[in-house]
Amino acid sequence: DGGITQSPKYLFRKEGQNVTLSCEQNLNHDAMYWYRQDPGQGLRLIYYSQIVNDFQKGDIAEGYSVSREKKESFPLTVTSAQKNPTAFYLCASSTVLSGEETQYFGPGTRLLVL
Amino acid sequence: QQQVKQSPQSLIVQKGGISIINCAYENTAFDYFPWYQQFPGKGPALLIAIRPDVSEKKEGRFTISFNKSAKQFSLHIMDSQPGDSATYFCAASPGAGSYQLTFGKGTKLSVIP
Repeated sequence: DGGITQSPKYLFRKEGQNVTLSCEQNLNHDAMYWYRQDPGQGLRLIYYSQIVNDFQKGDIAEGYSVSREKKESFPLTVTSAQKNPTAFYLCASSTVLSGEETQYFGPGTRLLVL
Repeated sequence: QQQVKQSPQSLIVQKGGISIINCAYENTAFDYFPWYQQFPGKGPALLIAIRPDVSEKKEGRFTISFNKSAKQFSLHIMDSQPGDSATYFCAASPGAGSYQLTFGKGTKLSVIP
């Protein structure tokens, strides 16, 4: 099955702790993204990557870091500098279909602070 | 301005009725307008998308209407069903070659029997 997998489904963070969310895709897509979703706030872009070993900050990158060492993988680290990390985190990847770029989303990881 | 404004925030429609969700944008560089459907606890899924060279696009019970001069677009769900109950997001991007989607804040649709 082709798709995007995110793990874990739920993640708990203690104060001052860094945690890493996993995102893997086997769709052979070049671009990958991380979004944060809060109730009533829509989806806000944290980081995106167009190619391996390159990534760009989105609208709310502070307190987060990413890496893109492989085309299939785009892990997100929520650092202790992120003071309000409780949210639903969504990973996406994209391709161009009939001249239009389409983003496909994973099932999400819910991060909670203990 | 990168904002996409979506309304209403929530919507209750009777089964068989028409659901209408509206979005407005300011950035004239936006060239691609997708709608996503999200069920609770799941990731969003692409529903239907439009480019501004057409005023309307229909796929089954879902129709996008686009008004370029007013910088507005809307999603119409005909014959709404309880299974359509979900949160709907409009989005916009500058189109091919751009990797950033700007999302509206979402509309929670409830279709009641």
